[in-house]
Amino acid sequence: GIQVEQSPPDLILQEGANSTLRCNFSDSVNNLQWFHQNPWGQLINLFYIPSGTKQNGRLSATTVATERYSLLYISSSQTTDSGVYFCAVEGYSGGGADGLTFGKGTHLIIQP
Amino acid sequence: KAGVTQTPRYLIKTRGQQVTLSCSPISGHRSVSWYQQTPGQGLQFLFEYFSETQRNKGNFPGRFSGRQFSNSRSEMNVSTLELGDSALYLCASSSLGTSRYTGELFFGEGSRLTVL
Repeated sequence: GIQVEQSPPDLILQEGANSTLRCNFSDSVNNLQWFHQNPWGQLINLFYIPSGTKQNGRLSATTVATERYSLLYISSSQTTDSGVYFCAVEGYSGGGADGLTFGKGTHLIIQP
Repeated sequence: KAGVTQTPRYLIKTRGQQVTLSCSPISGHRSVSWYQQTPGQGLQFLFEYFSETQRNKGNFPGRFSGRQFSNSRSEMNVSTLELGDSALYLCASSSLGTSRYTGELFFGEGSRLTVL
C-alpha cells in the first residue's frame, strides 16, 4: 500500500514563530488531507488538498503531486496551535479499498 | 450544521466482553468510515459504509464488524474484546457518493475504549 512519511516528528517553537511541516508519499494520490488532533482526540479537518495551494488564515498548504509531497505552513504560531498534525492520503491503486493512510504525525509544541 | 456525533465518548470493558459504538454523520452525508487509533499502530482504517453496504474493509479480524442504517447512522461492534483493542475509535463522514474513493472526511470526537 501507499506509504506516508511526515517530518519532523517533533517540533518545539516559541509563540509567534513560523513553521513548515512536510508530508512525503510514495504513490499518486486522489486525496490528501491535513488534520490537527486536539487534546481531546478529535481530528480537525484543516485542508483537503490533493494538489495545489490553499490558505486559511494563518495556515496554508501546498501539495506538489508530481513530486509526491505536501507542506503545511503555520505562521505566527499561537499556543492553541499545539497538538499533533497528521497528513493522510489515498492512492489510486487501491480503488478506494484502503481508506485513508495516515502518517505518524508531527507533534508541535508552542511555548508562550 | 451539526458535526459528526459519536457515543459513548468513554467506556471501560473487560476482556471477553463485546462493545457497540455509535456514529451519526453530518446531515446529508451518506458515507461513514471508522478508524482505530493506538499509540503503537497509529491511525488505521477499519471499514467504510455507503447506503447500508460495507464497501471497503481494512486489515482487521472478523471480531470487528459494523453496519449502517437507512438514516446513514452507523454502529461498529467489537466482540470478544482483547487488551489490544484499547484504543480511540474515530468515525468520519463524507459527502462523496457512488465513488469508492474516500472523499473529504470530517471526523467526530471519538470513543475512547479501555479494555481491562
